[in-house]
Amino acid sequence: EVQLVESGGGLVLPGRSLRLSCAASGFIFGDYAMHWVRQVPGKGLEWVSGITWNSDSIGYADSVKGRFTISRDNAKNSLYLQMDSLRAEDTALYYCAKVGAWGQGTMVTVSS
Amino acid sequence: DIQLTQSPSSLSASVGDRVRITCQASQDISKYLNWYQQKPGKAPKLLIYDTSNLARGVPSRFSGSGSGTDFSFTISSLQPEDFATYYCQQYDNFPPLTFGGGTKIEIK
Repeated sequence: EVQLVESGGGLVLPGRSLRLSCAASGFIFGDYAMHWVRQVPGKGLEWVSGITWNSDSIGYADSVKGRFTISRDNAKNSLYLQMDSLRAEDTALYYCAKVGAWGQGTMVTVSS
Repeated sequence: DIQLTQSPSSLSASVGDRVRITCQASQDISKYLNWYQQKPGKAPKLLIYDTSNLARGVPSRFSGSGSGTDFSFTISSLQPEDFATYYCQQYDNFPPLTFGGGTKIEIK
């Protein structure tokens, strides 16, 4: 069974940093592109960032470009999102996802 | 970037109704479109992949069709557990993944 388990969310001050992690199991992690998707409670889904299986191609939403960095460690079956210079508008539930499967999300709240 | 226009944004329907949602892509995405269901407090759940393939364990009242830029999702006979929000998602062109704006199905 495919499992994606996010961690690292929490309450953080504006301008500070946070690092999200996603532990994958139940599939060959190194074969798949992976993504971070966020959702403000009650709103729609917003793709944040994605990375190909070999980290050859990486993309970011314009809203996070230059502030967030996605990475992966295929040996550890893990995906990461380094979030710097956080803003109030980054407050959301962050999901780790591969096409077709999602984790349960980790909540990030940016507030003073 | 590819945009997905999903409609309607919401609808009211009764149990037993046939419901159809459309998703239009701003450029050809071949067959690379998925449909998800999301219930409050839960992660999205894959229902349909590659336009028309039913995900494992998904009831056959759900179906999808289309190609290129025009896609649709149908629930043939709405059940009480189907009241939720539905999203289309394209993955032909990476990055980014793109989502439709969502369709909330409410009880009439």
